[in-house]
This record gives sequence, C-alpha cells and structure tokens, in this order.
Amino acid sequence: EDQVTQSPEALRLQEGESSSLNCSYTVSGLRGLFWYRQDPGKGPEFLFTLYSAGEEKEKERLKATLTKKESFLHITAPKPEDSATYLCAVQEGSGGYNKLIFGAGTRLAVHP
Amino acid sequence: GAVVSQHPSRVICKSGTSVKIECRSLDFQATTMFWYRQFPKKSLMLMATSNEGSKATYEQGVEKDKFLINHASLTLSTLTVTSAHPEDSSFYICSANTGHNSPLHFGNGTRLTVT
Repeated sequence: EDQVTQSPEALRLQEGESSSLNCSYTVSGLRGLFWYRQDPGKGPEFLFTLYSAGEEKEKERLKATLTKKESFLHITAPKPEDSATYLCAVQEGSGGYNKLIFGAGTRLAVHP
Repeated sequence: GAVVSQHPSRVICKSGTSVKIECRSLDFQATTMFWYRQFPKKSLMLMATSNEGSKATYEQGVEKDKFLINHASLTLSTLTVTSAHPEDSSFYICSANTGHNSPLHFGNGTRLTVT
C-alpha cells in the first residue's frame, strides 16, 4: 500500500537554528514529490516539486532534496514567520495524474 | 497566477440541513478539481475528483449521495454536504491545477461545523 510518513510530528526551533524535516514514502512508481506549507485555518501553499532522486530545489531559507525512499526539507536559519505545518505529498504512477497521497505533516514552531 | 478561491471560509449549520461549498479557479480554467477533507493534525484525504461536464469520481468509502459534487463550468466546482450530521464537521479544501504536470493549488478551505 502506498504510504507517506513525515517526521518529526512536531518540531520546535529557536530562531536561527537550522534543521531538517523528513518525508519517507513507499509508492509503486513515483511520478513526483511535493512539499506544501499550511498555515492554521488555511489551505496548503505550494513550495516545491521533485521528480527524481538527486534533485534539489531551493527557495529562500528552504531546500528540498529527494532520494529513492525519502525527501528532506532543510530549513536554514529559520525565522518565526517560517512557523507552519509542512506537508509532503507523493504522486504515484498508477493513480490519476494529479492524485496525491499526503503525509500528516510536521508542525514547525520557530521561537525568537 | 493559479489562484483557487473557496467560499465560504466558515459555516455553521444544524443537523439535517445541507451546505454548499464553492470552489473557483480565478485565473485559469480547470477541467478537473479535487476535494479534500482534513481532520485536526491529520493528512489531507482525497474525497473525490470533480470533472467538468461529467460525474465526479469518488474515493473508496466516500458516500456520493451525501457529498454531491457538481462541476458545471471550467472555473467552478461545488460540494454539497447533504443532511449534515455532527460527524461531517471538518475542514474541506478544494484544489486544481493548470495542466498535467503542474502542481495542485489549493483554496483556503471551509471549516464546517454541524450542531
């Protein structure tokens, strides 16, 4: 069964303290892995798409990487405004072209 | 670009009544839209795929007679929760994309509370 597991469930950082979020997946054929940011009471906001192992994408303090079994979202020198839930989702080969399987997310809190 | 608008953002209704939620693609046409449901601290669960001009495709375990989906135009899909019960209380989110290989963009969700 296709599965997406994110860890940790929650993470508390001090401002400037870099860390990484993990997304492990098992799918029959990965077509794409997506990272989203979700603020409380809001819909997810698209961050990155990764398609193949070894691929990396960056945006401001965020960097996403992908291997054959997992993806990492690295946060460098985070600020309080980076506090949010970060969601990982995979699109598998046999599903509809936009059918995504989501992980439960990592709730990040960055304190000044 | 790729803005998805959802309305209302919050709704409270009484048990037994029906509630309609609208999802619009503001700056693009979407032949397909997706409806998700999210429980607190849980994954987004795909409920159904809304297809313009045809019937929606429901995920296993989702009652199609309870969650009516209509996709009457290329920019509008609606989800109607019929005969709502307290267990239907949840966060409903719609999404769409601009093309086959583009990411999904989400609306801001609708918080439904059934009393």
